[in-house]
Amino acid sequence: GEDVEQSLFLSVREGDSSVINCTYTDSSSTYLYWYKQEPGAGLQLLTYIFSNMDMKQDQRLTVLLNKKDKHLSLRIADTQTGDSAIYFCAEGPDTGRRALTFGSGTRLQVQP
Amino acid sequence: EADIYQTPRYLVIGTGKKITLECSQTMGHDKMYWYQQDPGMELHLIHYSYGVNSTEKGDLSSESTVSRIRTEHFPLTLESARPSHTSQYLCASGRGLGYTFGSGTRLTVV
Repeated sequence: GEDVEQSLFLSVREGDSSVINCTYTDSSSTYLYWYKQEPGAGLQLLTYIFSNMDMKQDQRLTVLLNKKDKHLSLRIADTQTGDSAIYFCAEGPDTGRRALTFGSGTRLQVQP
Repeated sequence: EADIYQTPRYLVIGTGKKITLECSQTMGHDKMYWYQQDPGMELHLIHYSYGVNSTEKGDLSSESTVSRIRTEHFPLTLESARPSHTSQYLCASGRGLGYTFGSGTRLTVV
């Protein structure tokens, strides 16, 4: 079945860049997503990338996709204390009856 | 602004009680999902629906049931709560790209 893996924890200093990594196994994945979860809240969609793209940039966020290695990363530039949260990657088809598969989440801690 | 609502936000209940967690969305999404989230963060899909009168079990057998009588409403029922059901329950809906999540219900069974 589908599997998505992430490292559990990342600590950075305020102002540095953060890079959160994710690997997935399903080569038929059409879209890959990054979600953010703040304490006591649900997941918020941050950005997504279509599988035929290598990179997508949205303000401080850069998503890189290496489809050959099935590796996805999220780079946050100029990381702020408000970026402290859990970040989930997810993969899934654009249509069809399969639900998204989520990674186990990476807890980002930003030190002031 | 949240367009998907979960109630209650917090619930403490005794073992053996029957409970229903509510989820409603105002976006007209056909697809709706229930996830159980571990204290260790991982999300487990427990039920999903692709439209009215359509429900399917997910990866985790949680001894719960769901119904989808109306597009906007997808309640989750535990017939007999147990301490092992203590968790965060997240509802989500979607139509095309990605899901919109509710704020969750944190359930504690004592």
